[in-house]
Amino acid sequence: EAGVTQFPSHSVIEKGQTVTLRCDPISGHDNLYWYRRVMGKEIKFLLHFVKESKQDESGMPNNRFLAERTGGTYSTLKVQPAELEDSGVYFCASSQVAGGGADTQYFGPGTRLTVL
Amino acid sequence: LAKTTQPISMDSYEGQEVNITCSHNNIATNDYITWYQQFPSQGPRFIIQGYKTKVTNEVASLFIPADRKSSTLSLPRVSLSDTAVYYCLVGENYGGSQGNLIFGKGTKLSVKP
Repeated sequence: EAGVTQFPSHSVIEKGQTVTLRCDPISGHDNLYWYRRVMGKEIKFLLHFVKESKQDESGMPNNRFLAERTGGTYSTLKVQPAELEDSGVYFCASSQVAGGGADTQYFGPGTRLTVL
Repeated sequence: LAKTTQPISMDSYEGQEVNITCSHNNIATNDYITWYQQFPSQGPRFIIQGYKTKVTNEVASLFIPADRKSSTLSLPRVSLSDTAVYYCLVGENYGGSQGNLIFGKGTKLSVKP
């Protein structure tokens, strides 16, 4: 079974440019999450999709970030325009909908974003 | 969601058993305890999860006392490849409705030959 994949693995852009990150979850997983780690900080939650619907986007830092999951499969996270403080590693995770009990999240390798 | 406290770092030698303890004094009734492992340049990887008593899988064991205010991840006979950051997370995950994980700083385990 293929794991969570993310593209690109590394992106270097200039301040003010736009970048789109992509996440392909494990097939059949309804839940998709975005997290990020900025330099020296902890991994922080950004948002959570259940299929194509945004369940929780309380962690999105501001309106320069737009996440979509059309069709409930892969997801994109667009940063427009990018700022220096957006630099960091963006992780995607997916999980099945659990009938009860805990819900294990499987993480992708992350996309390292560098804004110059 | 309960706050967790764990050592910043630990050192060990190959072949030893490593125990990493996590404190979570404010754990709620519906909270599960989950441990993740992260290697450099990779995403966190699920290791083990439990609610109470002891859980064991092919990778590790998780010991949870009756009051559930702490938990201990036990790695038997570590090897150099176990060098990683280990995160203890506590939270309620039912049907994905409250699925966002809260990561702390984790424990950086260094295994030496």
